Amino acid sequence: SQTIHQWPATLVQPVGSPLSLECTVEGTSNPNLYWYRQAAGRGLQLLFYSVGIGQISSEVPQNLSASRPQDRQFILSSKKLLLSDSGFYLCAWSYKVAYEQYFGPGTRLTVT
Amino acid sequence: AQSVTQLDSQVPVFEEAPVELRCNYSSSVSVYLFWYVQYPNQGLQLLLKYLSGSTLVKGINGFEAEFNKSQTSFHLRKPSVHISDTAEYFCAVSESIPRAAGNKLTFGGGTRVLVKP
Repeated sequence: SQTIHQWPATLVQPVGSPLSLECTVEGTSNPNLYWYRQAAGRGLQLLFYSVGIGQISSEVPQNLSASRPQDRQFILSSKKLLLSDSGFYLCAWSYKVAYEQYFGPGTRLTVT
Repeated sequence: AQSVTQLDSQVPVFEEAPVELRCNYSSSVSVYLFWYVQYPNQGLQLLLKYLSGSTLVKGINGFEAEFNKSQTSFHLRKPSVHISDTAEYFCAVSESIPRAAGNKLTFGGGTRVLVKP
């Protein structure tokens, strides 16, 4: 069966510090991968998605970036965090020919 | 482009009572529809999906939803809720046209269900 991991589970970072969140999928190959942010009391905002290694599409302009160095690894990064980057970050995957997405456990980021 | 509106931000309900969560969507093309549940501090779990066929879709945990194309709705129902159903529920839509660039979901704002004893 397929599983998706995210780490760390929680993170507290000062403003201006760098960020690296990691997502890994097991049990499938060549998945589509997605990064979402969920701000407090709000819905999900799609940040990035990837259909293959090195292929990243950005949905919203911001100080975040994403990379996919391996088939089942998706990384969310920032060089300098802002207070507004606080939130719950969710990684998801889907099969190439399917439409439903499967979500990881999330990372709670607090920028202080 | 699509949009999804969940008409109720919060729904309080007593244990063993029925619940209905409303979802309306807007799209210029045919869509597929989904309901997800999110328990506190966890990721989203797929409850059910409508891709084609019968407009009444049954999912996990006793939930069901009905697709109504003329009203562009996909309301979620459960005839008798439990305390453990306390969670946030998200409706989502995807264009039914496969895209090489990836199939994206558009989510509604969510509905918080609080089941009271």
